[in-house]
Amino acid sequence: EPEVTQTPSHQVTQMGQEVILRCVPISNHLYFYWYRQILGQKVEFLVSFYNNEISEKSEIFDDQFSVERPDGSNFTLKIRSTKLEDSAMYFCASSESAGLSDEQYFGPGTRLTVT
Amino acid sequence: AQSVAQPEDQVNVAEGNPLTVKCTYSVSGNPYLFWYVQYPNRGLQFLLKYITGDNLVKGSYGFEAEFNKSQTSFHLKKPSALVSDSALYFCAVPDRRSYIPTFGRGTSLIVHP
Repeated sequence: EPEVTQTPSHQVTQMGQEVILRCVPISNHLYFYWYRQILGQKVEFLVSFYNNEISEKSEIFDDQFSVERPDGSNFTLKIRSTKLEDSAMYFCASSESAGLSDEQYFGPGTRLTVT
Repeated sequence: AQSVAQPEDQVNVAEGNPLTVKCTYSVSGNPYLFWYVQYPNRGLQFLLKYITGDNLVKGSYGFEAEFNKSQTSFHLKKPSALVSDSALYFCAVPDRRSYIPTFGRGTSLIVHP
């Protein structure tokens, strides 16, 4: 069964450094998402991406964040200058279509630790 | 705004017993409701969804959910719990404009042998 994959599984970085989290969505999916989950808290939406542009973004997704689909398979989330509060689990997801009744498929996550 | 609430942080059940994980919703219009499961060190996995029709929805791994309009609830159920069902369970509702799901805070299900 096709899966969303994410690398790395764990990233440790120093405050102020840039990080890039990578995702390979399911190959025939057209819609891509990033979420984050701070330890013990809710899963929060960051951004959605379709047709090579951002379709929705949350208040969390400020100028420090950017997303890119550099080739036909990868989908990346960049955090330009990490802060301690960026420490969280980051999940990538994809879906074939994006309607009220459409489920999303999630990757295993990247645990980002900012020190 | 669409929202869901999961009133229990944790549910404990013995293997072989029935389990229920609760979710209540607040939506405008007809509700679309989802359950996802998160096993340790894994991403969220879709379990089942309610769109319209039968109030009892069947999903993966023997799970089902009962939609109750009068109680605005969408509780997840399984007749006989397995130890391997131990995981985090999230109820979710999509935003009516963006279709982005809002997740509940999650309920940790612990099934004891």
